[in-house]
Amino acid sequence: AQSVTQLDSQVPVFEEAPVELRCNYSSSVSVYLFWYVQYPNQGLQLLLKYLSGSTLVESINGFEAEFNKSQTSFHLRKPSVHISDTAEYFCAVIVNQGGKLIFGQGTELSVKP
Amino acid sequence: NAGVMQNPRHLVRRRGQEARLRCSPMKGHSHVYWYRQLPEEGLKFMVYLQKENIIDESGMPKERFSAEFPKEGPSILRIQQVVRGDSAAYFCASSPGISGALVETQYFGPGTRLLVL
Repeated sequence: AQSVTQLDSQVPVFEEAPVELRCNYSSSVSVYLFWYVQYPNQGLQLLLKYLSGSTLVESINGFEAEFNKSQTSFHLRKPSVHISDTAEYFCAVIVNQGGKLIFGQGTELSVKP
Repeated sequence: NAGVMQNPRHLVRRRGQEARLRCSPMKGHSHVYWYRQLPEEGLKFMVYLQKENIIDESGMPKERFSAEFPKEGPSILRIQQVVRGDSAAYFCASSPGISGALVETQYFGPGTRLLVL
């Protein structure tokens, strides 16, 4: 069965520090990868996605993620975080063009001044 | 803002009552997905629907839960005879449903938070 593992449940960092949120998936077939962000008591917002093409994808607010097929990873990075980045981040996959998203457990990013 | 709409945002039910959760997809979207987020857990897929058709219900509990997406009107997730373990946030997502698309991005609503007393 396909699964997504987010290795860190909580990541505390100071403002302007770099951050990496780790995501690994298990699947032997085609996967399509997503990062969503959830602010408190809100729904999920799409941050970025990898469907095909360049393995490095970027969001408009400075996040980037790189699809690494050999390591089955899709880690999320930002070189300098802001207080407003405090939220929960979910990595997810769609397997083999199926409809459903399979989510990781989430990583709570806490940015401190 | 023509995003995904869900109502109610909060719903309180007593054990044994019925809960009806509504989802209006983004304008132009014909595919709807329901997910459940239990406390301290990630989101779990429940069901995937097109208009008048269930595509994948592999995540739906076998009893008490049902979903529909009629030709007209919102998608409904119905939970009969609720129990305390049904307390969770229920999220709806939609996608365009473009024929031949490699894979579609799902856009999420704000969720309905169900509390069963």
